[in-house]
Amino acid sequence: GDSVTQMEGPVTLSEEAFLTINCTYTATGYPSLFWYVQYPGEGLQLLLKATKADDKGSNKGFEATYRKETTSFHLEKGSVQVSDSAVYFCALSASFGNEKLTFGTGTRLTIIP
Amino acid sequence: GAVVSQHPSWVICKSGTSVKIECRSLDFQATTMFWYRQFPKQSLMLMATSNEGSKATYEQGVEKDKFLINHASLTLSTLTVTSAHPEDSSFYICSAIQGTYNEQFFGPGTRLTVL
Repeated sequence: GDSVTQMEGPVTLSEEAFLTINCTYTATGYPSLFWYVQYPGEGLQLLLKATKADDKGSNKGFEATYRKETTSFHLEKGSVQVSDSAVYFCALSASFGNEKLTFGTGTRLTIIP
Repeated sequence: GAVVSQHPSWVICKSGTSVKIECRSLDFQATTMFWYRQFPKQSLMLMATSNEGSKATYEQGVEKDKFLINHASLTLSTLTVTSAHPEDSSFYICSAIQGTYNEQFFGPGTRLTVL
């Protein structure tokens, strides 16, 4: 079945540091890939997505590129802020988020001023 | 974006009792809602897909008689944990599909503690 393997946390960085959270997947066909963020006390929010190979999703300074050859969708940000502290989930679905999502285990990110 | 609410946000109950959790799409209609369960420091696991006006589709290993799902309207789905036991203690999260954005929107979750 489909699965998502995500970099284990927690991750602690200083403000303005470069961030990478690794995510690889196993799926049949051509899934859509997502990054969700969960801020303390809130529900999951879609951060970015990519629906086909070589697509780059981006939002709020975060980026991730759908790499079919390496089955990866790593999350990156050039300069993190304290407000980026949250739990980040990589996920996939069979098509465009309308079907069930398979999540990675989540990575807790803490940014220190 | 679209808003999904859950009620209650937390609940504590005695073993053997039943607990109902509501999931509402506040500003859109959702023909499909999903229920997830999240264990501490673990990922979200899909429990079931809730379709308005029809029976829910449960994932393998999820007891349908224990986790009753009712999607009575286009804005409300309920999850009832029947005869709850301590091992049912968990964080339950729902999501709803908003057709215009073609995206799932998540509720804030309900923490269930069974004593």
